Amino acid sequence: GQQVMQIPQYQHVQEGEDFTTYCNSSTTLSNIQWYKQRPGGHPVFLIQLVKSGEVKKQKRLTFQFGEAKKNSSLHITATQTTDVGTYFCGGATNKLIFGTGTLLAVQP
Amino acid sequence: NAGVMQNPRHLVRRRGQEARLRCSPMKGHSHVYWYRQLPEEGLKFMVYLQKENIIDESGMPKERFSAEFPKEGPSILRIQQVVRGDSAAYFCASSPGGQGSGGYTFGSGTRLTVV
Repeated sequence: GQQVMQIPQYQHVQEGEDFTTYCNSSTTLSNIQWYKQRPGGHPVFLIQLVKSGEVKKQKRLTFQFGEAKKNSSLHITATQTTDVGTYFCGGATNKLIFGTGTLLAVQP
Repeated sequence: NAGVMQNPRHLVRRRGQEARLRCSPMKGHSHVYWYRQLPEEGLKFMVYLQKENIIDESGMPKERFSAEFPKEGPSILRIQQVVRGDSAAYFCASSPGGQGSGGYTFGSGTRLTVV
């Protein structure tokens, strides 16, 4: 069945440093979505990418969808303490299969 | 717009009892998904439903687990004869269309503890 892997599992950065998480699917995706889950909270939708090679930006966050529509990345520039949480990618076929998530810790 | 409503927020059951988790999707959303999350782990897909239909239950354990989304009322995830390994957070999500187009809206989850 479809599998989605994310690396790294955990990243600890100093406030102001950049952060990147990578997502890889075993199958071609119709779209890929990114979510953020704060500790003790629920996943919150960030963005959806649909087109091959698509790049989208939200303030300090940059999302990319690979040319083959099987991989994606999320890059955060100049992290802040409010960025703390787990970032999940979700690969869509008829439902979302989520990656294992990357837990981001930001030290002030 | 109340969002996705899940209840209860916390549920404690003894081994062998039944657990019933409820989910009311966002207004206008007809697609409902259930996910399970173990502590420090990712979101594991369980089942995808539309009104009165199970679309994909490939993630549901074969025994003790069932789900429904009746014509009227919330979606229900039912776990019979719970065991300690069922302890987890169960999240429900909804979307207006299939393939999660436009993103899923998640509820706050039900934290199930089996003692």
